[in-house]
Amino acid sequence: ETGVTQSPTHLIKTRGQQVTLRCSSQSGHNTVSWYQQALGQGPQFIFQYYREEENGRGNFPPRFSGLQFPNYSSELNVNALELDDSALYLCASSSGLANYGYTFGSGTRLTVV
Amino acid sequence: DAKTTQPPSMDCAEGRAANLPCNHSTISGNEYVYWYRQIHSQGPQYIIHGLKNNETNEMASLIITEDRKSSTLILPHATLRDTAVYYCIVRVTQGGSEKLVFGKGTKLTVNP
Repeated sequence: ETGVTQSPTHLIKTRGQQVTLRCSSQSGHNTVSWYQQALGQGPQFIFQYYREEENGRGNFPPRFSGLQFPNYSSELNVNALELDDSALYLCASSSGLANYGYTFGSGTRLTVV
Repeated sequence: DAKTTQPPSMDCAEGRAANLPCNHSTISGNEYVYWYRQIHSQGPQYIIHGLKNNETNEMASLIITEDRKSSTLILPHATLRDTAVYYCIVRVTQGGSEKLVFGKGTKLTVNP
C-alpha cells in the first residue's frame, strides 16, 4: 500500500508568479484535500476534491484552484503569488467512508520571494 | 473557526504515560475527534480518532468525556521519538464535504 506522495518537496517562486503542486493519493482513496500550514501554525483547509469536482472550500481566494484526475491524483494551483503564500502545502487523501482516517503527504515547502 | 483548545506545551519523562488534554466544547453531535502528530514540519501522522466511545490502538488511547466537550490522548509509554506537536482536531461536515479543523497543537517534549 503506497502512501500519499507530493511533488516537488521544495520550491522557490517570485511574487506574482504562478505555481502548481502535485499530489498522488494513497491507493484506494478517492477523496483529496489540500491544507496550507504557515510557520508555527496548524494546517488550514483550502479545499477538497471528490470525483474530480471541488466539493468543499475553506477561506481562500479564487487564485487558489485545483484539479482532481480520474486516477484520483490532484493538483493545487496558485496564481499571482504573494509573500504570505509562503507555507507548507499538505495534501491528504481519504476513502470517503463514514468512519475513516486521512493520510497526509510530507508536503511541499513553498517560499515566495 | 478553531474548535479545539490545547495547552501549547507539555513535558513527559521517557517511559511514563503522556496525557494530552483537549477542549472541544462547541463540537456537534456528528463531528469526530481526531489526533495527529507532526515532527519537524513533516506531514501530520494519524494517531487515532473517535466519536463518543473510548478508542485504543497500537499507538495510543483516546478518552472522550460523556458530554463530548473534551478528550485526552494517552501515550502509555512515551519514548524520545514521541517528541512532536500533537494536534487535536474536529472533523467538520459542510454540505457534501468534510474538513479537518486543526487547533494550534501541543508541543510534547519527552525527556530522558
